[in-house]
Amino acid sequence: GAVVSQHPSRVICKSGTSVKIECRSLDFQATTMFWYRQFPKQSLMLMATSNEGSKATYEQGVEKDKFLINHASLTLSTLTVTSAHPEDSSFYICSANSGGGEQYFGPGTRLTVT
Amino acid sequence: QQQVKQSPQSLIVQKGGIPIINCAYENTAFDYFPWYQQFPGKGPALLIAIRPDVSEKKEGRFTISFNKSAKQFSLHIMDSQPGDSATYFCAASTHTDKLIFGTGTRLQVFP
Repeated sequence: GAVVSQHPSRVICKSGTSVKIECRSLDFQATTMFWYRQFPKQSLMLMATSNEGSKATYEQGVEKDKFLINHASLTLSTLTVTSAHPEDSSFYICSANSGGGEQYFGPGTRLTVT
Repeated sequence: QQQVKQSPQSLIVQKGGIPIINCAYENTAFDYFPWYQQFPGKGPALLIAIRPDVSEKKEGRFTISFNKSAKQFSLHIMDSQPGDSATYFCAASTHTDKLIFGTGTRLQVFP
């Protein structure tokens, strides 16, 4: 199957700082990528849909100024959590649509804000 | 109408058993129904997916049954193994659109 990578896998940052998470499709081009957030023992919550070359579409309730998304190329999307606070601590997962419509997920990034 | 309802929330079976996880949807525009397997601390992995033009799809020990008229689909795991212990999510979408996920089923397979 198609491979999606994320970097970093884990990050710890201090409250008030910003953190950038990268999502790459390694062996296919993805015009659309998605960013999810997952709390322990819960389902995935879609945060935003990222289209290459255009502005991301955010889900209701997700602050676009706090969670900055950039989809610079067909293989790279980034999520920047700005002015992070402890309540932003979570598991962030990206996914990418392959040409056949299947959605493949990255391994996730565990963010801890102290 | 965008919801996907998944049951049961948790499931315990013995090795060799056949756990069955069910999902139901309302939106008749959905035309793509994948199942994902997630281990703790990892991203979801695509297991198997079906489109509404077929009623069943099998890949290895995993089978999806799809009932278009009832708007339901289910995952069967044949000859389950302890290594299958994970959380399983069903999902639905309109082809290349965003996925709507079920709430997940935590499966435990005991030796």
